[in-house]
Amino acid sequence: AQSVTQLDSHVSVSEGTPVLLRCNYSSSYSPSLFWYVQHPNKGLQLLLKYTSAATLVKGINGFEAEFKKSETSFHLTKPSAHMSDAAEYFCVVSDQENQGGKLIFGQGTELSVKP
Amino acid sequence: ETGVTQTPRHLVMGMTNKKSLKCEQHLGHNAMYWYKQSAKKPLELMFVYNFKEQTENNSVPSRFSPECPNSSHLFLHLHTLQPEDSALYLCASSQDFRLTAASYEQYFGPGTRLTVT
Repeated sequence: AQSVTQLDSHVSVSEGTPVLLRCNYSSSYSPSLFWYVQHPNKGLQLLLKYTSAATLVKGINGFEAEFKKSETSFHLTKPSAHMSDAAEYFCVVSDQENQGGKLIFGQGTELSVKP
Repeated sequence: ETGVTQTPRHLVMGMTNKKSLKCEQHLGHNAMYWYKQSAKKPLELMFVYNFKEQTENNSVPSRFSPECPNSSHLFLHLHTLQPEDSALYLCASSQDFRLTAASYEQYFGPGTRLTVT
């Protein structure tokens, strides 16, 4: 069965420094992987997705993620944090064992950005 | 109005009340979803409707009753809830539940914050 593990429940960075949010996945199939962001009192928004094309995926707001099959990882990075990046981030894998429409969410990583 | 909207945004109800949550999508999608988001837990998929037909019910208690009258509207009827049902309820939509994840994206509404007293 597919699953995702977000290795940090909370990450704190200073504005202008790099961001790294870690995600490991487990899948018997070639997975589709996503990162979603949720700002306070808002719904989830798709940041980027990996669907077996290029392993380095660029998303919105300067975020990118690299799919590493050998490490079963899909870490999210950004070179320079902005105050507006403070939010909860979810790593997600599609449940391709059953139906493509089902998403399996990690527990989330809360990102804090200090001025 | 664009995207996925949910009403009400906040709801406080007693355990004997009956209330309904409403979701509307303006994206022309054919699949709609209800998720439950509790503190410190991953999002839990509750129900999926694809072309107005329920395709998923993830062992949700019968005190939650979904309704999908058309592809644009989704309701969640609530009755005799328990305090542990307090959570953020998120609605989402996508083009077609049967499509692989490579071909679609789920769009989420802002959620309804439910408190059961």
